[in-house]
Amino acid sequence: DTAVSQTPKYLVTQMGNDKSIKCEQNLGHDTMYWYKQDSKKFLKIMFSYNNKELIINETVPNRFSPKSPDKAHLNLHINSLELGDSAVYFCASSLNPGLNTDTQYFGPGTRLTVL
Amino acid sequence: GEDVEQSLFLSVREGDSSVINCTYTDSSSTYLYWYKQEPGAGLQLLTYIFSNMDMKQDQRLTVLLNKKDKHLSLRIADTQTGDSAIYFCAEKNDYKLSFGAGTTVTVRA
Repeated sequence: DTAVSQTPKYLVTQMGNDKSIKCEQNLGHDTMYWYKQDSKKFLKIMFSYNNKELIINETVPNRFSPKSPDKAHLNLHINSLELGDSAVYFCASSLNPGLNTDTQYFGPGTRLTVL
Repeated sequence: GEDVEQSLFLSVREGDSSVINCTYTDSSSTYLYWYKQEPGAGLQLLTYIFSNMDMKQDQRLTVLLNKKDKHLSLRIADTQTGDSAIYFCAEKNDYKLSFGAGTTVTVRA
């Protein structure tokens, strides 16, 4: 069973389009995250939700809007895609980030290419 | 990330030991982590160390922590071709992980 899954795995789209990436975890975790990994492999957090509530919102353009319909899902919607949005987007989840022993589990990633 | 620094590349011969180094800036970090990313895959947690420890061993992996110098290292004994990957060091600040830029390890025969 896949613990953290993302769809689609690859996404190729034109500049200016709107697209969504979906993430689901079956680990029973309360917290989910979105990370962006650029072409140089630099990995940076974008958002985090705990029990459907936003707890981390880094400096991300407001074209990016996360949505958490329930604590097992965290989707990422991107409006008006730009060339610089091309990256690999990773979803992750963890049980309780307030605990020192908390461990994040990552999905396989979604490679977004904006043409 | 600017708070966590790693060397970018490491080439090692199969059977030798690999040592990947990392420096971090936040002295209040309670846990430090090593993740592995194989080509085209997500990040896999390899090991972590609590900040009041100076060493942790897990099979072929040895983590050394020098809290005074804020230096973390990962040693892989008897490196195999399957160890070829990118290795990320990460520190935990509040609710989020801050990652280094990753060290690409290439294992040659």
